[in-house]
Amino acid sequence: QSALTQPPSVSGSPGQSVTISCTGTSSDVGGYNYVSWYQQRPGKAPKLIIYDVTKRPSGIPDRFSGSKSGHTASLTIAGLQADDEADYYCCSYTGSLFVFGIGTKVTVL
Amino acid sequence: QVQLVQSGAEVREPGASVRLSCQASGYTFTTHYIHWVRQAPGQGLEWMGAINPSGGSTRYTQSFQGRVTMTRDTSTSTVYMDLSSLTSEDTAVYFCARAFIAARPPDDFWGQGTLVTVSS
Repeated sequence: QSALTQPPSVSGSPGQSVTISCTGTSSDVGGYNYVSWYQQRPGKAPKLIIYDVTKRPSGIPDRFSGSKSGHTASLTIAGLQADDEADYYCCSYTGSLFVFGIGTKVTVL
Repeated sequence: QVQLVQSGAEVREPGASVRLSCQASGYTFTTHYIHWVRQAPGQGLEWMGAINPSGGSTRYTQSFQGRVTMTRDTSTSTVYMDLSSLTSEDTAVYFCARAFIAARPPDDFWGQGTLVTVSS
């Protein structure tokens, strides 16, 4: 199972919106509505920010939103803040197993 | 409160095996799957496998088949992950994380991570 494709990096100024894509196949992202997104800061465990493609866990601001079209899931961060600078990973169910994306570094300019 | 507490850092020589533990507390142990995810230095997250603490069934990603074994002890609410035939490429931080539904990726509770260093 190959890792899901994500852009290595995205950047934006404070207040702007950025979108991170997560591209897979019909065997993973395209086949199931079980895609999660994680934020990871250096030296820390990943933190869940989106699950089941569009749902936010309690405590996650609504600036974070998820969507999916075909084989590509997307994470949008609206109103970018300095604290959003981190690595972001998608993860998808594959029918029995799971696969992560390669990760995207978000830089706040 | 929900916690997943992992065992401490390990150093092994190439060819050796390692056993990591993940002790759950603050919830009913058998209601959530436990996943293992690793991260090599400077690299991304890699899903290794998962165990259902209720019945002990496991699933592993193909790249670890034959080298990884996940088990659980319901009396201590602990999941174990054994990894054998270690090479330098297994040097990584290993995380455990829980998930409520079999088809759902890990949710919002993760262990603190265990660093495994493989070096001669």
